[in-house]
Amino acid sequence: EIMMTQSPATLSVSPGERATLSCRASQSVSSNLAWYQQKPGQAPRLLIYGASTRATGIPARFSGSGSGTDFTLTISSLQSEDFAVYYCQQYDSWLFTFGPGTKVDIK
Amino acid sequence: EVQLMQSGAEVKKPGESLKISCKGSRYSFTSYWIGWVRQMPGKGLEWMGIIYPSDSDTRYSPSFQGQVTISADKSISTAYLQWSSLKASDTAMYYCARSGGANVVDSWGQGTLVTVSS
Repeated sequence: EIMMTQSPATLSVSPGERATLSCRASQSVSSNLAWYQQKPGQAPRLLIYGASTRATGIPARFSGSGSGTDFTLTISSLQSEDFAVYYCQQYDSWLFTFGPGTKVDIK
Repeated sequence: EVQLMQSGAEVKKPGESLKISCKGSRYSFTSYWIGWVRQMPGKGLEWMGIIYPSDSDTRYSPSFQGQVTISADKSISTAYLQWSSLKASDTAMYYCARSGGANVVDSWGQGTLVTVSS
């Protein structure tokens, strides 16, 4: 089973600032990495897949990078609606696994 | 737009059985894998397992093998998650999700809250 870790656990950011979230896999997942956003009381929403491709309708302020074992999600200028929990997920193996999440809250 | 419509919230007692559902629409149900995800209160997302409705090929995460059963009825475009004997620790929100092109999980159901309490 591929284990996913994320850092930091919590990120406090002011609106308009840049946020950088990290995700690491215990073994290479190539570019088979997705990022999801989850707000309280809602299902997760796909943001990024293939490590760097934005899903339909996702604003350009969200970008993803990385391959192999190390990945980054960057939110270039945080908007009020971006405060949420972000999960990475590998789908290189059918046994998809999620990271523990990074909570982005208001500083 | 792809839709995954899940059954409503359930309140059960320990030891009872339960089957929750996830109906897919606006896409070819038999062409995509459907997975189930658990989210315990205040916790993260856990991948439980996945099924290919066309032939019912099913795979379970080790943590959930033997604890739940995943099935599908392709004639009514519906996937299921069931328990034979619930425990209090099964209390959680359960999501179904479609694994689309290149295995990307691109669509989610709204979630089914399962509460197990005596």
